[in-house]
Amino acid sequence: DAGVIQSPRHEVTEMGQEVTLRCKPISGHNSLFWYRQTMMRGLELLIYFNNNVPIDDSGMPEDRFSAKMPNASFSTLKIQPSEPRDSAVYFCASTNRDSSFGNFFGQGTRLTVV
Amino acid sequence: GDSVTQMEGPVTLSEEAFLTINCTYTATGYPSLFWYVQYPGEGLQLLLKATKADDKGSNKGFEATYRKETTSFHLEKGSVQVSDSAVYFCALVGQGGSEKLVFGKGTKLTVNP
Repeated sequence: DAGVIQSPRHEVTEMGQEVTLRCKPISGHNSLFWYRQTMMRGLELLIYFNNNVPIDDSGMPEDRFSAKMPNASFSTLKIQPSEPRDSAVYFCASTNRDSSFGNFFGQGTRLTVV
Repeated sequence: GDSVTQMEGPVTLSEEAFLTINCTYTATGYPSLFWYVQYPGEGLQLLLKATKADDKGSNKGFEATYRKETTSFHLEKGSVQVSDSAVYFCALVGQGGSEKLVFGKGTKLTVNP
């Protein structure tokens, strides 16, 4: 099992540019989560999908953030336009059934907006 | 709403010392409880879990017991190693198969040789 795969691992971009983060969940998992981790705010849930449908996006900070899951094996998190305060590590996680079975995390994308 | 409170770090120990990281929670009913570990530069990994009261989760020498009466899930290890240096997160999922994990703020552990 390859685990949750995220790309890129590192991204450096200039303020105002569009950024797209990618995630491939574990095959057979039907729930997918996007988290953001910063020193100030810790780990925050941004949005999660179940069976490719967004269930709760209340953690998405503002309209500049959007997420899609066009099929069971791929999801994107897009920031447009990016700002320096978006600099963080973004994690994708997946699980099957429900989270009482545990979330499985990718290695994260470290985003730096300059 | 549901919440998790962890002891604030950082925690610094010598190798072979005893480790306790306190975790208490607020939730209705019987949530499922977890400890996750994050090694430097990596994502979170599930360390152990317990899904009902009095259950003990264990893995890699770490243990935690689900205490409903004290709403606690403290993490313990009898003899830590340098390789245990990481950030540890306590988390819960609400009763009834909720999908949202609620995390504590994390506790950084450093083990010195």
